[in-house]
Amino acid sequence: EAQVTQNPRYLITVTGKKLTVTCSQNMNHEYMSWYRQDPGLGLRQIYYSMNVEVTDKGDVPEGYKVSRKEKRNFPLILESPSPNQTSLYFCASLDRGRQYFGPGTRLTVL
Amino acid sequence: RKEVEQDPGPFNVPEGATVAFNCTYSNSASQSFFWYRQDCRKEPKLLMSVYSSGNEDGRFTAQLNRASQYISLLIRDSKLSDSATYLCVVTFNNAGNMLTFGGGTRLMVKP
Repeated sequence: EAQVTQNPRYLITVTGKKLTVTCSQNMNHEYMSWYRQDPGLGLRQIYYSMNVEVTDKGDVPEGYKVSRKEKRNFPLILESPSPNQTSLYFCASLDRGRQYFGPGTRLTVL
Repeated sequence: RKEVEQDPGPFNVPEGATVAFNCTYSNSASQSFFWYRQDCRKEPKLLMSVYSSGNEDGRFTAQLNRASQYISLLIRDSKLSDSATYLCVVTFNNAGNMLTFGGGTRLMVKP
């Protein structure tokens, strides 16, 4: 089954404790991206990757890192999470304009 | 001005009603257009692409008006299960990887 997976689905952590949210897709898509979704602000792109070892900043990259060592994986790294990074995060891969979203990760930073 | 704008709603309609949403975009070079549906706390899922000539999928009709720079989504015979947020997406290049989401329009269908 074609899908995008994310882990963990839910995470409560404390300020400053490094965390990684994993994202994996099995559709061999070159383009992947990370979004955060907040009430009233809609979906905002954090980072995207057009292919292996090619990543670039989206609209709200501050406080985040990504890597793309393999085509299928695109982890999101928060080196020092802060409460303003509490949000719902979606990973997505893209093929010919159509986005395939992961199920989301709900992150709370205390 | 936002690149892609939607009325956030909510649109409260009774079952069986016909409801329409618009989505306006500011970039005249926009290439492709899509409607996504997002249920509460779930991921967005593609509802339908929007073609220049307009297209229909069951109770759903999508239209594009390039001159006025908007796309629309019409839902006929609304069902309770249509309650969701509807997001429009506009892409700006051929590859479709330069894109912007609208903020979404929330629809609530009541019995």
